[in-house]
Amino acid sequence: AQSVAQPEDQVNVAEGNPLTVKCTYSVSGNPYLFWYVQYPNRGLQFLLKYITGDNLVKGSYGFEAEFNKSQTSFHLKKPSALVSDSALYFCAVREAGRRALTFGSGTRLQVQP
Amino acid sequence: EPEVTQTPSHQVTQMGQEVILRCVPISNHLYFYWYRQILGQKVEFLVSFYNNEISEKSEIFDDQFSVERPDGSNFTLKIRSTKLEDSAMYFCARGLAGVTETQYFGPGTRLLVL
Repeated sequence: AQSVAQPEDQVNVAEGNPLTVKCTYSVSGNPYLFWYVQYPNRGLQFLLKYITGDNLVKGSYGFEAEFNKSQTSFHLKKPSALVSDSALYFCAVREAGRRALTFGSGTRLQVQP
Repeated sequence: EPEVTQTPSHQVTQMGQEVILRCVPISNHLYFYWYRQILGQKVEFLVSFYNNEISEKSEIFDDQFSVERPDGSNFTLKIRSTKLEDSAMYFCARGLAGVTETQYFGPGTRLLVL
């Protein structure tokens, strides 16, 4: 069975500071990992994904994520946070051979001016 | 990437009534999905649909639920007899086949069962 854990309900960071949103996963085979962002009253917007290859993947709006197989983690990062980055962030995993995405519980990012 | 559109944006219904939620993919993708998000909880997979057949479904997707693509464009989720616990945001998503697939989500339909 595939599962995702996002250990922090909320992350607070000051504008201009680096941010990290944590995600760990569990799958029985090779993982395909995703980050989505949800703004109020909006759907889920795709940010980035890891399928294979370079462990550091870059995505939209300056976000990046690092895949760490030994720690089964896929943390989302950004070097300099913006107030407009404040939103709900979801990590998701799909294991090989399946279509379903399994989502984490979400982490609310609050960037203070 | 363009998303899908979903109608209605909000629906209120009485317990026991049937509801149909609609999803219109903007581009010609092969895979379609329904997910739901109960208020304050995580997004949960319901079903995936490919080539007019269900390719995968979750435990949540019981006999109350059905999906179809009746006219080759709209993709619908039907809940036959709604329960209070069906109140949630329902998201449609689309994707291409293949291991590198990204699923793109619509804005959702908020369903409230009274």
